[in-house]
Amino acid sequence: GAVVSQHPSRVICKSGTSVKIECRSLDFQATTMFWYRQFPKQSLMLMATSNEGSKATYEQGVEKDKFLINHASLTLSTLTVTSAHPEDSSFYICSARAAFKDEQFFGPGTRLTVL
Amino acid sequence: KNQVEQSPQSLIILEGKNCTLQCNYTVSPFSNLRWYKQDTGRGPVSLTIMTFSENTKSNGRYTATLDADTKQSSLHITASQLSDSASYICVVSFNDYKLSFGAGTTVTVRA
Repeated sequence: GAVVSQHPSRVICKSGTSVKIECRSLDFQATTMFWYRQFPKQSLMLMATSNEGSKATYEQGVEKDKFLINHASLTLSTLTVTSAHPEDSSFYICSARAAFKDEQFFGPGTRLTVL
Repeated sequence: KNQVEQSPQSLIILEGKNCTLQCNYTVSPFSNLRWYKQDTGRGPVSLTIMTFSENTKSNGRYTATLDADTKQSSLHITASQLSDSASYICVVSFNDYKLSFGAGTTVTVRA
């Protein structure tokens, strides 16, 4: 149990376009979902925290208008990278926190490459 | 300054050998400490979770120890296999939601 999926697993886009990444909790309801970014050989860095039905809370330095987060249901959160630029190329990982357990379950990640 | 420091940054071991990874943290107050395995291009997978009252936790060939007094943890891998090649991340939780991540130790197991 406690499986989290992400789609797509890999995406390549042109500079200036927008990209949407989905994060789903497959077998549990996630009261809270988290979005992380990981650059090569670095730690995961928390970008934002989202609760179902409310606005996301962004970490300092993360542009909320650039990284749009929607947590429409207890099993789905989306991250949209708007007007992507090469410096946005990174590995984006989501995690979901179950209501029944104090633990975050991580998705497999999405590799974004902006040309 | 990162509140979770891991060492070594990387290591190479021969298949079948043991190794120990270290994690020092300064996060306070302390809720729990987790070790994750992250394969290249994949999300982290939980290996062990320990609260401050636990000293050791095992998961197959992985054994984690915790000394809450000195704020140190270790992850011991026994009889390493090629599939153990990955990044191992120490994560400390100081409340229900926020996690502090170490930079990870990259382990390479060679035949």
